[in-house]
Amino acid sequence: AQTVTQSQPEMSVQEAETVTLSCTYDTSENNYYLFWYKQPPSRQMILVIRQEAYKQQNATENRFSVNFQKAAKSFSLKISDSQLGDTAMYFCAFMEGTYKYIFGTGTRLKVLA
Amino acid sequence: KAGVTQTPRYLIKTRGQQVTLSCSPISGHRSVSWYQQTPGQGLQFLFEYFSETQRNKGNFPGRFSGRQFSNSRSEMNVSTLELGDSALYLCASTETGTGSPLHFGNGTRLTVT
Repeated sequence: AQTVTQSQPEMSVQEAETVTLSCTYDTSENNYYLFWYKQPPSRQMILVIRQEAYKQQNATENRFSVNFQKAAKSFSLKISDSQLGDTAMYFCAFMEGTYKYIFGTGTRLKVLA
Repeated sequence: KAGVTQTPRYLIKTRGQQVTLSCSPISGHRSVSWYQQTPGQGLQFLFEYFSETQRNKGNFPGRFSGRQFSNSRSEMNVSTLELGDSALYLCASTETGTGSPLHFGNGTRLTVT
């Protein structure tokens, strides 16, 4: 069965610094999709970034980038120039064609002023 | 376009009662999925619907059921409520459900007393 593991329940980072959130997953499939979602205290889940497994190039969205290591089944999220508005729960998610997205347990990130 | 709308936002029910939650997807999105979010467990997949057909179901008891209407709106029903059903229930829609990013509603916070 596919699983997604986020080993860091909580993290903190100083404003303007860089932080990396880790995510590992387990699958026997070759084609799949990976996502990072952000859930601020308002509880609205928002897509941060998406990666297609067949693409070697790491996805980037402004200050957010991923380090996708397919062989290691690792999908970490790097947030550069952290801002107070980045404070939120971050969920890593995996999807492989069965219309079911599997989420990790989340990492609570706090950006400190 | 309007986002995913979930109603109600809050519900308080008593053990043994039943409850129905509603979700209106983004216009044009035909896939609707439901997730249960509890602290420490992340998001657990309940089921996914596409064109009124359930395509996948998570590992939840039969007390949890859902349906989708011809206009893609979806409802989720929980019968014989238990204390452990207290959670945030999130609905998400996508265009096709295959690799497309999920667009989430604000969720319904269900409290069972």
